[in-house]
Amino acid sequence: QVQLQESGPGLVKPSGTLSLTCAVSGGSISSSNWWSWVRQPPGKGLEWIGEIYHGGSTNYAPSFKSRVTISVDKSKNQVSLTLRSVTAADTAVYYCARAPSGPIDSWGQGTLVTVSS
Amino acid sequence: DIVMTQSPDSLAVSLGERASINCKSSQSVLNTSNNKNHLAWYQQKPGQPPKLFIFWASTRESGVPDRFSGSGSGTDFTLTISSLQAEDVAVYYCQQYYSIPQTFGHGTKVEIK
Repeated sequence: QVQLQESGPGLVKPSGTLSLTCAVSGGSISSSNWWSWVRQPPGKGLEWIGEIYHGGSTNYAPSFKSRVTISVDKSKNQVSLTLRSVTAADTAVYYCARAPSGPIDSWGQGTLVTVSS
Repeated sequence: DIVMTQSPDSLAVSLGERASINCKSSQSVLNTSNNKNHLAWYQQKPGQPPKLFIFWASTRESGVPDRFSGSGSGTDFTLTISSLQAEDVAVYYCQQYYSIPQTFGHGTKVEIK
């Protein structure tokens, strides 16, 4: 059973960069899966940010495309999310997730990132 | 982007009664090459991540009680709970994974009447 664990700073300053990592255990990052990031502002719905395949192919939501990077570190079995030029609107719980063939079948517990000075 | 519209925003149903949630996509999510609807349903309880309940519009994820069922095709979908139990209180989201960006409905909150 794959497990996903997000980690990173809980507080980021406006105009700064949000950087999160997702440690994957119980499975290889190089298996045939898409690894996704989804966020959820407090009290609101789910927003898909983007995804990466182990080979490095990426897809991003257009609303994030200019300021987001998702990458894979195979040696550490980790997926990373970088979101630049953040504002208060980027305050959310960020989830790392796995999508083997379309739907997301595994989620991390999520990590709350607050954008504030 | 494909817009996913859920209705109602919330519903209160008596224990043992049926609950139905609708999800409409702004364009078809039916993949004609494999005849599958790229539509999933998730359950989310407070403080927890979402949990996959239904995929390909009508396939139950392993371990999901059979009182949950999904139906529909093309642009109109329904999640039905045939006999509501206390543990079903949650927010339910539909999601399309037919095209990028993947998009979610805004969620439907299910409560006990």
